[in-house]
Amino acid sequence: DTAVSQTPKYLVTQMGNDKSIKCEQNLGHDTMYWYKQDSKKFLKIMFSYNNKELIINETVPNRFSPKSPDKAHLNLHINSLELGDSAVYFCASSPDGANYGYTFGSGTRLTVV
Amino acid sequence: GENVEQHPSTLSVQEGDSAVIKCTYSDSASNYFPWYKQELGKRPQLIIDIRSNVGEKKDQRIAVTLNKTAKHFSLHITETQPEDSAVYFCAAGGYSTLTFGKGTMLLVSP
Repeated sequence: DTAVSQTPKYLVTQMGNDKSIKCEQNLGHDTMYWYKQDSKKFLKIMFSYNNKELIINETVPNRFSPKSPDKAHLNLHINSLELGDSAVYFCASSPDGANYGYTFGSGTRLTVV
Repeated sequence: GENVEQHPSTLSVQEGDSAVIKCTYSDSASNYFPWYKQELGKRPQLIIDIRSNVGEKKDQRIAVTLNKTAKHFSLHITETQPEDSAVYFCAAGGYSTLTFGKGTMLLVSP
């Protein structure tokens, strides 16, 4: 079984569209994250959820919204997509905050045209 | 917030040589320092980690050292092999999120 699974793996869409990326973990972890990896490979935190409660929200445009129906799922919804949103988005989970290593999902490559 | 600097950005070595990647961090409250390896097109994967109460940790060909006073930590890979070629990330954390360095692309030539 895949520990942290993301769908879709690839997403090509036009500017202005709204899209969602789904993430599920079966590790029983309490904390889940979304990271954005740009073309220079830099991993930047976007959101962190602990037991369905948002605990970190970096300077991310409000077009991005995380949604967590339960602690095993953390979805990312993006409104009004822009060219600069093109990147690889990684979901990750950890047992408890940043005191333990993350397990990453396989990533979603988003291309906005 | 935490700031992590990582050097070098690229590192080329011959197979069998050693490779060293260095990181510094700014927040003295950070107490957990993992290293991740990301192969092309794949997810980052944890390869080794160290906590602030330990100065050095080794796992086969890889080792990590931590100097809390100087706020820096390093990854050492010995007897490098072509399959070690990847991007390596250091990170620092202590409470809610890990802050990652900008990555080092390691190229091991046969």
